[in-house]
Amino acid sequence: DSGVTQTPKHLITATGQRVTLRCSPRSGDLSVYWYQQSLDQGLQFLIQYYNGEERAKGNILERFSAQQFPDLHSELNLSSLELGDSALYFCASSVETGAGTQYFGPGTRLTVL
Amino acid sequence: DAKTTQPPSMDCAEGRAANLPCNHSTISGNEYVYWYRQIHSQGPQYIIHGLKNNETNEMASLIITEDRKSSTLILPHATLRDTAVYYCIVRPFQETSGSRLTFGEGTQLTVNP
Repeated sequence: DSGVTQTPKHLITATGQRVTLRCSPRSGDLSVYWYQQSLDQGLQFLIQYYNGEERAKGNILERFSAQQFPDLHSELNLSSLELGDSALYFCASSVETGAGTQYFGPGTRLTVL
Repeated sequence: DAKTTQPPSMDCAEGRAANLPCNHSTISGNEYVYWYRQIHSQGPQYIIHGLKNNETNEMASLIITEDRKSSTLILPHATLRDTAVYYCIVRPFQETSGSRLTFGEGTQLTVNP
């Protein structure tokens, strides 16, 4: 158990819908990272927040957005969902920003029908 | 970040040592070697990292060649639970402007009974 929690574990929705994925980092960690893993793209970095501020952006679509709240939990919002958004979404956390040692949660499996 | 090359798959007998190689010939002086693994559809798990000296922890040992162009992750007594995809990542220890882990294809290690 990494100490990072993600909810929900599974999410099934339809195209065009909007969903919110939630992540709680390890106690004491200020940085949160979001990654997407699909069959054809592998593990891809999406976005990073540190203490409430966006610090780095990867290949995140404009339909996707994220935020980190004062209690340090983070939410990833996915809107206008397409079939290709079906993937595993992982959250990771670290104590400091820019750390190479990151602790990953169990992931949320999103299925868009 | 430096590019890494890993064999796509390896097999190992249970109880024997698993030696996973990684080539990183373009590594820079400030870049560390990190290893993560991902057991089927679970969140990636940090294993170990190092700069130039050999490192050991409760999970594995990391051997980095003197010229730092390659490294080997050693699982001393592989078990069936070590079956996973192992990722070698080269990057700075800490990046002040934010961070990401860039995952390649990794090595699928299969431990056989």
